[in-house]
Amino acid sequence: KNQVEQSPQSLIILEGKNCTLQCNYTVSPFSNLRWYKQDTGRGPVSLTIMTFSENTKSNGRYTATLDADTKQSSLHITASQLSDSASYICVVSASEASGGSYIPTFGRGTSLIVHP
Amino acid sequence: GAGVSQSPSNKVTEKGKDVELRCDPISGHTALYWYRQSLGQGLEFLIYFQGNSAPDKSGLPSDRFSAERTGGSVSTLTIQRTQQEDSAVYLCASSRRGGEAREQYFGPGTRLTVT
Repeated sequence: KNQVEQSPQSLIILEGKNCTLQCNYTVSPFSNLRWYKQDTGRGPVSLTIMTFSENTKSNGRYTATLDADTKQSSLHITASQLSDSASYICVVSASEASGGSYIPTFGRGTSLIVHP
Repeated sequence: GAGVSQSPSNKVTEKGKDVELRCDPISGHTALYWYRQSLGQGLEFLIYFQGNSAPDKSGLPSDRFSAERTGGSVSTLTIQRTQQEDSAVYLCASSRRGGEAREQYFGPGTRLTVT
């Protein structure tokens, strides 16, 4: 069964600090992994997408890593800002060409709160 | 351009009533998804439309749930005889056809509360 597990479930940090969110998955055959940011009362918005051959991808202060061998990904946020307070969702898609489902598998998200 | 829009943004209904939730996808996007997001849970897939193909209804939790997509654009999710466990945020997403890397663009969701 395809699964995506995220940790921690919630995290509180002070403004300006860095943090790292974790994602472990068992989706097979793997196609790509996305990190989404979901602000309260809004739909998720894609931050990064990574395919099998990519190890690191950055989007401003957000840096995602992928280890396809261990099936782990992380999202590192540098110099956090109050606006980073949100839920961060890891989403893994299977390879349709290899017989996988076209419905992505969503993690439950990590709720990040940044305090001034 | 305009993103995915959903209406209403909030809906409070009495147990046993029917509700309709609307989704307007991004123009030109042929794929449309409905998800349910309950507190503390990941997004739960409900139904998927792709162009003129038959929809994938495999995620609908019961026969009280149905959805249609008219003219390949606007979609309506209908919940009949609502139950308290139907309370959740219902999210709609659309994407361009083709490729596993297709990005889903989400609407703001409809928060449904069944009393």
